[in-house]
Amino acid sequence: DIQMTQSPSSLSASVGDRVSITCRADYNIGTYLNWYQQKPGSAPNLLIYAASTLQSGVPSRFSGGGSGTHFTLTINSLQPEDFVTYFCQQSHSTPLTFGGGTKVEI
Amino acid sequence: QVQLQESGPGLVKPSETLSLTCTVSGGSISKNYWSWIRQPPGKGLEWIGYVHYSGITNYKPSLKSRVSISVDPSKNQFSLRLNSATTADTAVYYCTRGMCRGGNCYFEPDLWGQGTLVSVSS
Repeated sequence: DIQMTQSPSSLSASVGDRVSITCRADYNIGTYLNWYQQKPGSAPNLLIYAASTLQSGVPSRFSGGGSGTHFTLTINSLQPEDFVTYFCQQSHSTPLTFGGGTKVEI
Repeated sequence: QVQLQESGPGLVKPSETLSLTCTVSGGSISKNYWSWIRQPPGKGLEWIGYVHYSGITNYKPSLKSRVSISVDPSKNQFSLRLNSATTADTAVYYCTRGMCRGGNCYFEPDLWGQGTLVSVSS
């Protein structure tokens, strides 16, 4: 299985801040990397696919980058609704695997 | 607008079979890949496997001996069966749709059901 390591596991920030979350794969996955946002008690919601493509309807303050084994999710100008948990996921090969998650706290 | 809805027992006894169904509404089950993903309370996400509308399946190796995912196009549903359940199978179970773009379909999810909690306990 491809192991996905996300960091940090949690971070504290304020409304209006810019934050970045890192995801590392232990195998070269090209750009087969997706980012999801999960609000408490809800299903994950796709934010970015293919490492850097914004899913339809997702605000432009979210952006993704990277390739190979190192990826980042950046949120510009944090909004109150952004203080939730984020997961990366590789889709290079099965089994699909996820990072451990990053909780963004106020 | 396509929606996914999980259904099935919320409580399963150890050693019994965990069975869930996902109903796809607002669209056809044809063409896409359909996966089951679970999340134990307070923990991360685990992919269980997928079924293609054609019936092709792919399972996580560590679960392969116990899991079966099937599709019923006539009912616009797909289902999960997990045999010999243990307390470690207690989780919120999500059914998901794989994305299609540019004329091709992929197994990474772009749409999730709301999830259903299944507890394995005597």
